[in-house]
Amino acid sequence: DAKTTQPNSMESNEEEPVHLPCNHSTISGTDYIHWYRQLPSQGPEYVIHGLTSNVNNRMASLAIAEDRKSSTLILHRATLRDAAVYYCILSRGGSQGNLIFGKGTKLSVKP
Amino acid sequence: DTGVSQDPRHKITKRGQNVTFRCDPISEHNRLYWYRQTLGQGPEFLTYFQNEAQLEKSRLLSDRFSAERPKGSFSTLEIQRTEQGDSAMYLCASSLGGYGTDTQYFGPGTRLTVL
Repeated sequence: DAKTTQPNSMESNEEEPVHLPCNHSTISGTDYIHWYRQLPSQGPEYVIHGLTSNVNNRMASLAIAEDRKSSTLILHRATLRDAAVYYCILSRGGSQGNLIFGKGTKLSVKP
Repeated sequence: DTGVSQDPRHKITKRGQNVTFRCDPISEHNRLYWYRQTLGQGPEFLTYFQNEAQLEKSRLLSDRFSAERPKGSFSTLEIQRTEQGDSAMYLCASSLGGYGTDTQYFGPGTRLTVL
């Protein structure tokens, strides 16, 4: 399975945008990029996914590099509730099957 | 809210005892997954069901672990002869399955402590 690399931690100020990077240099042509997040004491929660084009939804935006070897999750205005561990995950062919989580990026949001 | 539910939320047991956890997926979701998460790590896949069929098992799932999903609805995960190394959060997730968007919805987890 293709591997992802994320920074261990990041900090942000409340109401400012946050850009969470993910490197996946061994991604294959059929691998989708998924982002989940895990708030303290909760199970992971789906955020967004994409294949080649940038994606937007009510929670976040996903910017995918042209060569697909990296992507960035964008939270447009961080709130205290966005403090969580964010996981970038690759899956084959759109069907997620079992998700292979790394350690993710722990995002802290300062008021 | 009819999300994924798990029972119990917390379980404390003594080493050598058997424990069983239950997961109720979102109704009509035909896929059900079990993961294990230890402190500071991301969740690790254990096993996966498509309806009542157990289609994949991780090498992490030793012989002491067994999972069932009778009738393709709720699922149980049993750990026999628990060991201290089994202490972890056990997460269940469900999804609709199929090609394309197959978002997994996670339950709150069952935290197991083995003394």
